[in-house]
Amino acid sequence: SYELTQPSSVSVSPGQTARITCSGDVLAKKYGRWFQQKSGQAPVLVMYKDTQRPSGIPERFSGSTSGTTVTLTISGAQVEDEADYFCYSETDYIGVFGGGTTLNVL
Amino acid sequence: QVQLVQSGAEVKKPGASVKVSCKTSGFTFSDYAFHWVRQAPGQRPECVGWINVGNGDTKYSEKLQARVTVTTDTSANTVYMELTSLRSEDTAVYYCARGEHLDHWGQGTLVTVSS
Repeated sequence: SYELTQPSSVSVSPGQTARITCSGDVLAKKYGRWFQQKSGQAPVLVMYKDTQRPSGIPERFSGSTSGTTVTLTISGAQVEDEADYFCYSETDYIGVFGGGTTLNVL
Repeated sequence: QVQLVQSGAEVKKPGASVKVSCKTSGFTFSDYAFHWVRQAPGQRPECVGWINVGNGDTKYSEKLQARVTVTTDTSANTVYMELTSLRSEDTAVYYCARGEHLDHWGQGTLVTVSS
């Protein structure tokens, strides 16, 4: 199937590790990406090719993959990391986004 | 630096058409594909379609393919997305994004469809 499934929310205290998962059959064959979106702003790419961090993204962001699941890990989450996070991959024709995970850092 | 600057907000009546532009700078336009993504309030982003500037290939969402067209003006380094026969459910922020990994995004264009 072309669906990507994420938990609706994840909550951590500042300095703790946050892990956000994304599952879907397409991830066994195609790369996953992760986008951070803060309220009223455009999404920002924070991870591509499952584990690659774009320039300018803090080192506390990392990615991993296993089978049909990709995981975004934020080690030592900061208050400024509070946002919605969407995973993304592509089918043979068009891209597909996960439902999004709200990260609460409080 | 890489920039994608989109046209301003639009208000349209049901049945009308809208054409949103995305003017790019700071890189070689013809080296990339460009995606259009829309996001209704409180919803996940949804892929509308994309175009490969180098060879002109386009792909559209099955849901929208009868009503959407993505084009480019290579002389102006600009990508366009036109959506016809607008319905209230097309109300969303429409974004352009660069490349295979959508590594840079425009600021978004709010399209409101209302009678």
